[in-house]
Amino acid sequence: GEDVEQSLFLSVREGDSSVINCTYTDSSSTYLYWYKQEPGAGLQLLTYIFSNMDMKQDQRLTVLLNKKDKHLSLRIADTQTGDSAIYFCAETKGGSQGNLIFGKGTKLSVKP
Amino acid sequence: EADIYQTPRYLVIGTGKKITLECSQTMGHDKMYWYQQDPGMELHLIHYSYGVNSTEKGDLSSESTVSRIRTEHFPLTLESARPSHTSQYLCASSGALVVRTGPSSNYGYTFGSGTRLTVV
Repeated sequence: GEDVEQSLFLSVREGDSSVINCTYTDSSSTYLYWYKQEPGAGLQLLTYIFSNMDMKQDQRLTVLLNKKDKHLSLRIADTQTGDSAIYFCAETKGGSQGNLIFGKGTKLSVKP
Repeated sequence: EADIYQTPRYLVIGTGKKITLECSQTMGHDKMYWYQQDPGMELHLIHYSYGVNSTEKGDLSSESTVSRIRTEHFPLTLESARPSHTSQYLCASSGALVVRTGPSSNYGYTFGSGTRLTVV
């Protein structure tokens, strides 16, 4: 199967919470990342989590990590139209110095 | 300000032309990468480099070539462009952890804005 899997699309209403899910395969991944790509732009690092953490919160963003199930999620509280973008989950392949392996991206659409 | 730059942002060229997509970073990062991005969003690693004089092929076979003569510069060249090369090309770099203020950090990769290439 794929190294990093994500659902391709998510649609929410403005003000609701968005939850984007990701599963990965490499248990030696030291860091796991969420990147955001706005239309016509490159990827921007949104947040990351160390593999020895279960949760990380940063303003409207909450990252949850379940190492046993190799499951990562990104929750965006009070989703705004400006959050509409593609969100990529990424793991580090082969330890902290390895290349990043990206998921295929989840396109988040926020309806007013 | 330390950053990564790609030029041009947009390029439309005819079949058979030779082109070079430029990528430069001012962060002193050792590792650099080129990705090709489908219209359907998926990223494909086509080349990477661990440092000067190091180049490696990525997961997706590509007819392009790269060079790394200087740390800050990682150009990608297509000797003879074809319509199948039409895509978005993203350059990225990564290096040792450095504390930096702002919403981003130096964990993971830093991406350029991309070059959208159309071959007609």
